[in-house]
Amino acid sequence: NAGVTQTPKFRVLKTGQSMTLLCAQDMNHEYMYWYRQDPGMGLRLIHYSVGEGTTAKGEVPDGYNVSRLKKQNFLLGLESAAPSQTSVYFCASSRPGGYNEQFFGPGTRLTVL
Amino acid sequence: DQQVKQNSPSLSVQEGRISILNCDYTNSMFDYFLWYKKYPAEGPTFLISISSIKDKNEDGRFTVFLNKSAKHLSLHIVPSQPGDSAVYFCAARGGKREGTSYGKLTFGQGTILTVHP
Repeated sequence: NAGVTQTPKFRVLKTGQSMTLLCAQDMNHEYMYWYRQDPGMGLRLIHYSVGEGTTAKGEVPDGYNVSRLKKQNFLLGLESAAPSQTSVYFCASSRPGGYNEQFFGPGTRLTVL
Repeated sequence: DQQVKQNSPSLSVQEGRISILNCDYTNSMFDYFLWYKKYPAEGPTFLISISSIKDKNEDGRFTVFLNKSAKHLSLHIVPSQPGDSAVYFCAARGGKREGTSYGKLTFGQGTILTVHP
C-alpha cells in the first residue's frame, strides 16, 4: 500500500498563476483533508471531504477550491496564486467518524513569487 | 486565536534521558487529544492519543498525561533515543456539540525535539 500520495512534491508559481495539487489514497478512506503548514502556525485545515462528491470549508478556505470526484482522490486548486499561499500543503485521509487516526501524505512545498 | 499552544519551539535532550513536551489548550469543548511526529520532508505520523475521560495513556516509551483542570497535556518519552529527533505536534479534536464528527483537528505550532547521542 502506498498510503497517501501527493503530486507534485515541489512547485514554484508566479503570482496570478493557477495550479492543482493532487492527493490520492489507497486505504479506501471516506474522509479526506487538506492542510497547510506555515512557520509558527502548526497545521491549519483548508477544506475537507466526508465522502465522494462532498466538500466543505475548513479553517482557512479563502483562495482555494477542492473537488472529490472519486473516493480515492482529493484535489486542491489555486485559481490565482498569491505570495501568501506560499506554504507546505499536506493531504490526509481517515476512516469515517471523528475519532480515527488521520494518515498524512508527504507534503507539497509551494512557493509563489 | 491559538486554541492549542506549544510554547516551547525546541527541546534538546541527552540520549537515555526523559523528554517532556508540553501543550496547552483553551477550548473546553476539546474531548480528544493526539500527538503527531514529523520528520523532515515527510508528513506527520500519529504517535499516541488520549481521551478527555482519561488522565494517562501509555504506549511503550511514550506516555501522554492530561490535566483537564489546567487544560494541559504533556508527552513523555523515556528513554529518549536519537531516532526520536523530530517535530512533535499536539492536536485536539472538538466535542460532538461542535459538530466535529468529521474529525477536525486543531494543531499546535510544534516543538522540535533533538536527542543527542
